[in-house]
Amino acid sequence: DQQVKQNSPSLSVQEGRISILNCDYTNSMFDYFLWYKKYPAEGPTFLISISSIKDKNEDGRFTVFLNKSAKHLSLHIVPSQPGDSAVYFCAASYYKLSFGAGTTVTVRA
Amino acid sequence: EAGVTQFPSHSVIEKGQTVTLRCDPISGHDNLYWYRRVMGKEIKFLLHFVKESKQDESGMPNNRFLAERTGGTYSTLKVQPAELEDSGVYFCASSPTGTGSGANVLTFGAGSRLTVL
Repeated sequence: DQQVKQNSPSLSVQEGRISILNCDYTNSMFDYFLWYKKYPAEGPTFLISISSIKDKNEDGRFTVFLNKSAKHLSLHIVPSQPGDSAVYFCAASYYKLSFGAGTTVTVRA
Repeated sequence: EAGVTQFPSHSVIEKGQTVTLRCDPISGHDNLYWYRRVMGKEIKFLLHFVKESKQDESGMPNNRFLAERTGGTYSTLKVQPAELEDSGVYFCASSPTGTGSGANVLTFGAGSRLTVL
């Protein structure tokens, strides 16, 4: 039973434009949400997080939005850079982290 | 600070053989997790240690998988006997003790890729 879903397996965006990654979840008990970024042959690395009591968290070029009523969160990257090309995983926490299947982002020059 | 270290980085074995994966967490991290990712799918939780105790092993697929954490330091994950469906990347992660936002952020190792032929 997959509780965290990333329905877009891939996203291609031009350098300098905005990347928007989406994530849906089913478990209303999740109290913390995170995004991880993964390069090939490396482990996922923490990118940004948001508590369930907030609806937005910003860190430089990265902003995460949370819509609890819709059980939906999104990650905005602006402007997108070539080094942002990676797999992005959405994760949600309630005692343990549950991950989505990832979205592969390709930033075109 | 050294990160989470996993060994081997890649293992190729035949069905029915045994493989042992090792994880060295960040020093001082009491929480240690094992996750697995099958090609293109989600990263799935396997189990969670707090020090040497298994806190949650609800994600372990079956009794062919055995995880240990000797003395609350490094951990091993043994698969015996391996089956084709066990192929995937096994990630280990660790986090500090305690609750709250800090404890939710896991630091992952690079993973051990297991291929069962």
